Amino acid sequence: SQTIHQWPATLVQPVGSPLSLECTVEGTSNPNLYWYRQAAGRGLQLLFYSVGIGQISSEVPQNLSASRPQDRQFILSSKKLLLSDSGFYLCAWSVRSGAGEAFFGQGTRLTVV
Amino acid sequence: AQSVTQLDSHVSVSEGTPVLLRCNYSSSYSPSLFWYVQHPNKGLQLLLKYTSAATLVKGINGFEAEFKKSETSFHLTKPSAHMSDAAEYFCVVSKASGGYNKLIFGAGTRLAVHP
Repeated sequence: SQTIHQWPATLVQPVGSPLSLECTVEGTSNPNLYWYRQAAGRGLQLLFYSVGIGQISSEVPQNLSASRPQDRQFILSSKKLLLSDSGFYLCAWSVRSGAGEAFFGQGTRLTVV
Repeated sequence: AQSVTQLDSHVSVSEGTPVLLRCNYSSSYSPSLFWYVQHPNKGLQLLLKYTSAATLVKGINGFEAEFKKSETSFHLTKPSAHMSDAAEYFCVVSKASGGYNKLIFGAGTRLAVHP
């Protein structure tokens, strides 16, 4: 069966520090991969998606970047965090074709202080 | 354009009573629809999905939803609420777009269950 791992679960970082969140998927090949952010009291905002190694698309301009160095690995990064980067970050995967469901990781609670 | 509207931001029920979480969608073609549940500080878990097969969809934990095209609705129901059902629920419509699944989320409904 497929599983998705996301870490760390919680993170407190000072303003201006770098960020690296990692997500890996097991039990499937060639998945679509996604990073979402959920701000307090709000719905989910799609940040990045990837349909293959090295292929990254951004939905909104921001202080973050994403990379996909391997088929089942997706990394969210920032060179210098802002207070507004605080939130709950979720990684997800879906099969390559169709309009099927996505499967989510357990999330990372990021607090920028 | 596709959109999802969850009609209630908060729903409160007593344990053992029925649950109804309302969702209306807008789509120019037959949509794929989902309900997800999120417990505090956790990821989203898929409850059920509709993908143009049976209009009454059964999911996990006793939840079900009925796709009504004439009403553009996909309401989530459960006959008897349990304390563990307290969580946030998201109605989602999906569209295949440029090789990826574009998921459009509703704003969420927070379900409270009282003893």
